[in-house]
Amino acid sequence: DARVTQTPRHKVTEMGQEVTMRCQPILGHNTVFWYRQTMMQGLELLAYFRNRAPLDDSGMPKDRFSAEMPDATLATLKIQPSEPRDSAVYFCASGWESNTEAFFGQGTRLTVV
Amino acid sequence: GIQVEQSPPDLILQEGANSTLRCNFSDSVNNLQWFHQNPWGQLINLFYIPSGTKQNGRLSATTVATERYSLLYISSSQTTDSGVYFCAGNSGNTPLVFGKGTRLSVIA
Repeated sequence: DARVTQTPRHKVTEMGQEVTMRCQPILGHNTVFWYRQTMMQGLELLAYFRNRAPLDDSGMPKDRFSAEMPDATLATLKIQPSEPRDSAVYFCASGWESNTEAFFGQGTRLTVV
Repeated sequence: GIQVEQSPPDLILQEGANSTLRCNFSDSVNNLQWFHQNPWGQLINLFYIPSGTKQNGRLSATTVATERYSLLYISSSQTTDSGVYFCAGNSGNTPLVFGKGTRLSVIA
């Protein structure tokens, strides 16, 4: 059963701490997306990768967020230092190329207190 | 970039009723998807429908690419259909842009 896997599912952390979220895309998919969902902004793109190369990370606050793909089976999103306004659900999605069907993981619900 | 507008923003239905959700795009798209976000927050793929019509059980979708809109039909609604329905689209090699969603509540 091919699916996008995200860990952790839930994370509560104190302001100033580092947070790392992980995503395992569907095997064979070459495009990975990170989205953030909040009540105010809805679903917004943070970054995306094609063949492990970052194509667009303009949606990310550069001073504290970073996204990487160490290999084809792992994408990471890191926040350092975290702030309460980063509280949101972070979704990872993958697809074969960006203009074909994308599939989403179950999300990481982040709470920064 | 592409703007995605969904209507209505909220919808309350009696169980068994039918409904139509609409998605308008500001520009042409060559990829269009409908998702259902269930009460647990999961984004479930409903349709990948850049053009034409597809049906899956009580749900069907139609995209008229030349007129830049897509419709999602829900027939004989059930309480399990409740949640938020999103459409999202993109063109070329850009990532999906989401609408703000339609929040559906089906009442028994």
